Amino acid sequence: DAGITQSPRYKITETGRQVTLMCHQTWSHSYMFWYRQDLGHGLRLIYYSAAADITDKGEVPDGYVVSRSKTENFPLTLESATRSQTSVYFCASSETDPGTGFNQPQHFGDGTRLSIL
Amino acid sequence: AQTVTQSQPEMSVQEAETVTLSCTYDTSESNYYLFWYKQPPSRQMILVIRQEAYKQQNATENRFSVNFQKAAKSFSLKISDSQLGDTAMYFCAFMKLWNTNAGKSTFGDGTTLTVKP
Repeated sequence: DAGITQSPRYKITETGRQVTLMCHQTWSHSYMFWYRQDLGHGLRLIYYSAAADITDKGEVPDGYVVSRSKTENFPLTLESATRSQTSVYFCASSETDPGTGFNQPQHFGDGTRLSIL
Repeated sequence: AQTVTQSQPEMSVQEAETVTLSCTYDTSESNYYLFWYKQPPSRQMILVIRQEAYKQQNATENRFSVNFQKAAKSFSLKISDSQLGDTAMYFCAFMKLWNTNAGKSTFGDGTTLTVKP
């Protein structure tokens, strides 16, 4: 089915470990994003990508690494997990309207709940 | 940079009644979107309604409507005939209309709405 898929849905790991969260979209959208949502708060942008091999930092990038070798995939890696990175992580994708050039609303995955002990 | 403020952390409403959620924002942009997203306990991010800032008419989607006051930078969501399924966290979000790094959104901290039977 077309859409945006995140995996895993839940993950528990220990401090200091490396963990990678996967994001895959089937629309061939140019833009992809990673947000984190902490308890009781809105989403904050970690990293985003305008196209394959083009990534840029968002509001809270420290401790995270991204890559985008293929348009459809945008993995997020925590190189050495810390307890402060316990959160729900959302991946999103979007495109611009080919006629107007206007941004279009983002489509979100179902989120990954990450707990770091 | 943009900021989005939702001043009501929690609200409740009786089934079948009307409730209004508030959102204010700050930006120096003149062309942008505003969105309301719904996040039920399933954690999905569901787009409820969108408003283009260049449109004077307030957006409406079935039981959901907005009151967009551009000069006051206010964007409230009205839910009519509230239903139990409307119970969720609601996020207000801002996005530029166009941008070379398209589609980044800025979110408020959310309002938890409980619809009571």
